[in-house]
Amino acid sequence: GDSVTQMEGPVTLSEEAFLTINCTYTATGYPSLFWYVQYPGEGLQLLLKATKADDKGSNKGFEATYRKETTSFHLEKGSVQVSDSAVYFCALSVANSKLTFGKGITLSVRP
Amino acid sequence: NAGVTQTPKFQVLKTGQSMTLQCAQDMNHEYMSWYRQDPGMGLRLIHYSVGAGITDQGEVPNGYNVSRSTTEDFPLRLLSAAPSQTSVYFCASSQTAVPGETQYFGPGTRLLVL
Repeated sequence: GDSVTQMEGPVTLSEEAFLTINCTYTATGYPSLFWYVQYPGEGLQLLLKATKADDKGSNKGFEATYRKETTSFHLEKGSVQVSDSAVYFCALSVANSKLTFGKGITLSVRP
Repeated sequence: NAGVTQTPKFQVLKTGQSMTLQCAQDMNHEYMSWYRQDPGMGLRLIHYSVGAGITDQGEVPNGYNVSRSTTEDFPLRLLSAAPSQTSVYFCASSQTAVPGETQYFGPGTRLLVL
């Protein structure tokens, strides 16, 4: 079946550090890929997405590129801020709009 | 637009009790779904609906019922609550059921079953 694997967490960084969160997937079809973010006490919100191979999604300084050859969708940001502290979920969708999520990773950014 | 709203925000149940978690959206979205979030397990799909009158099971449907009588509302019913149903429940909606659509999530309902 379809699945998403995220790197183990939590991750703690200092402000202005470079961020990479790894995400790989297994899917039977051609999935759309997503990164969702959950700020403390809130629901999930879309951070970025890519719907076909080689597409790059970007938002709020975050980027991720859909790599079909490595089945990956790694999230990167060049300089994190304290306000980026949240839980980050990688997800895929193949059929309908059903989302398959990774386990999520908690990011904490220190001032 | 209020977006996706969920009530209640928090609920405590005793084993065997029943309850309904409410979800509503005011965006005229066709697709709605329910997920549960458990520590270390991400979110898992419980039930979904591609339009009024149409529902289907997700990954973890046992112990839950849904119906979709209107486009706006998609309630989730727990028939006989069990401690294993202690979780945070999120409702989500999207414009259509196309795989690349953005899902909009509600703020969640935290449920504790004793």
